[in-house]
Amino acid sequence: ETGVTQSPTHLIKTRGQQVTLRCSSQSGHNTVSWYQQALGQGPQFIFQYYREEENGRGNFPPRFSGLQFPNYSSELNVNALELDDSALYLCASGWGINTGELFFGEGSRLTVL
Amino acid sequence: AQRVTQPEKLLSVFKGAPVELKCNYSYSGSPELFWYVQYSRQRLQLLLRHISRESIKGFTADLNKGETSFHLKKPFAQEEDSAMYYCALKAGGTSYGKLTFGQGTILTVHP
Repeated sequence: ETGVTQSPTHLIKTRGQQVTLRCSSQSGHNTVSWYQQALGQGPQFIFQYYREEENGRGNFPPRFSGLQFPNYSSELNVNALELDDSALYLCASGWGINTGELFFGEGSRLTVL
Repeated sequence: AQRVTQPEKLLSVFKGAPVELKCNYSYSGSPELFWYVQYSRQRLQLLLRHISRESIKGFTADLNKGETSFHLKKPFAQEEDSAMYYCALKAGGTSYGKLTFGQGTILTVHP
């Protein structure tokens, strides 16, 4: 059974640039969620995708967007990067639209200079 | 809006001592509560959830709706329990899979 994998593991961008983070869900899962974890904080919900549709969103601006593909892999896109976007971005997958039992990836650490 | 508070950022105990990691929540409806754990150099993983009422690795947690708490307990701590622990809440209704996490507690178990 393959777990949740994320890429890239680390990346550095400058303010104003755009970034795409990728995630492969665990085999058999049909829900993917993205979380932002700032240093010293708990993960904060960005959004969830189920069957390729966004069906839940946290308190993040529209420049945070995502996609879920038919194979249940996912992307997180962030436009017009700001310094405060520097964080660890976690992808998590699960089974079912309303599950709280999530399987996390190791994260992508984004640094915005 | 829901909120999860873990009042202790750091907790140190000696091996064999009891340990309790505190979690308080704020939510007007009927929540689901979870404990997630992150061991050194590992990914965040589910430890237990209140609806299953099970003991995992000797840990238990009881949902106290009157006190809006979901404290994690273990009677005899082991060195391998050293990790970061997060309490998380899933609201009801159309919140779908959104989890609200606390800030986490770093547990260190000394030999």
